[in-house]
Amino acid sequence: DAGVTQSPTHLIKTRGQHVTLRCSPISGHKSVSWYQQVLGQGPQFIFQYYEKEERGRGNFPDRFSARQFPNYSSELNVNALLLGDSALYLCASSAASSVQETQYFGPGTRLLVL
Amino acid sequence: GNSVTQMEGPVTLSEEAFLTINCTYTATGYPSLFWYVQYPGEGLQLLLKATKADDKGSNKGFEATYRKETTSFHLEKGSVQVSDSAVYFCALSLQSSYKLIFGSGTRLLVRP
Repeated sequence: DAGVTQSPTHLIKTRGQHVTLRCSPISGHKSVSWYQQVLGQGPQFIFQYYEKEERGRGNFPDRFSARQFPNYSSELNVNALLLGDSALYLCASSAASSVQETQYFGPGTRLLVL
Repeated sequence: GNSVTQMEGPVTLSEEAFLTINCTYTATGYPSLFWYVQYPGEGLQLLLKATKADDKGSNKGFEATYRKETTSFHLEKGSVQVSDSAVYFCALSLQSSYKLIFGSGTRLLVRP
């Protein structure tokens, strides 16, 4: 079975632009979470979606938004990019919204903002 | 607040040496605890988990025991291999939240 897939794998943008990152969860998983991993640090929680509804949001500005589609795939959007948004963006899927469910991570999208 | 503290790396060991990576946590309630591993250029893979006190998680020769009295979840392996070289992240999740809270990671380098 395919794992969590993310696209694109790498992306280069300039300050002020916006970016859309995509995630397809494991088949049968209804929950998707997004994390930001800055170089040398642990991942930081951005959003969780379950059944197309936002279930949790981390301490990120409103420039960050996300949505989940009927097929449970998800997009993360970041507007007005800043240099500090350069990071590895990880998507994770789980079977349900319970925190006891294991989250499975994709390979990430590496974003560089110049 | 809720947080995870890991020992700083890098940890450099020779093949077949014993590994310990320390992890302590601060949390309200009763968290679940996890170890994830990140190989170069890849995402995170779940290594093991424990959901209640005194539980022991194990996988691929790695073990960690949930110690409520010391709020710790140290990762151990009896004999490391070169292929174990990676960054290891300790994490917790709370029943009241949907997110994983990660430590800053510990890089392990195993030399032949």
